[in-house]
Amino acid sequence: QQQVKQSPQSLIVQKGGISIINCAYENTAFDYFPWYQQFPGKGPALLIAIRPDVSEKKEGRFTISFNKSAKQFSLHIMDSQPGDSATYFCAASSWGGNQFYFGTGTSLTVIP
Amino acid sequence: ETGVTQTPRHLVMGMTNKKSLKCEQHLGHNAMYWYKQSAKKPLELMFVYSLEERVENNSVPSRFSPECPNSSHLFLHLHTLQPEDSALYLCASSRTGSDEQYFGPGTRLTVT
Repeated sequence: QQQVKQSPQSLIVQKGGISIINCAYENTAFDYFPWYQQFPGKGPALLIAIRPDVSEKKEGRFTISFNKSAKQFSLHIMDSQPGDSATYFCAASSWGGNQFYFGTGTSLTVIP
Repeated sequence: ETGVTQTPRHLVMGMTNKKSLKCEQHLGHNAMYWYKQSAKKPLELMFVYSLEERVENNSVPSRFSPECPNSSHLFLHLHTLQPEDSALYLCASSRTGSDEQYFGPGTRLTVT
């Protein structure tokens, strides 16, 4: 059973546009929701993370929106750039826990 | 060298071979992880070590054998692997009790 469901599988966005990736979870014990960015040949790198006590977190062009009642969270990339082209993974865990549950990833391509 | 390093970066081995993957972290962390990344599947947590003791083993076949001699080093010993074990093997580290995991670049393993 997949603990975190991620969509879409792939996404193509024009430069300057908004990229939106969605994730949904079932386990209400999860209280930490990170997003990772992975470039080819590299390991995933932590991009931004949120805890359920806030509904939104913004860092530069990257924003996480969190809907606790719907058990959904999403990553918004504003003013998308070709350099943002990568695979993005959402994840969920319980605070201080060792078990991370990852989504299946979204391949983002930003075309000039 | 900083961050999390992994060697080798690429490995091709036959089903009867024995090989080892190495991970080293230079972040002062005390928890280390092995993940398996296959195409179009979520990252799969294989093993977790916290303070050099194994705390998670997610039903991984015995042909994978981890070793954590100290808080900076982690090994994954491989023997009699199957072709379906071909994947990217990622190492990560964190501080115990922290949610932020830092990944290495991975070892691309091909089993022939």
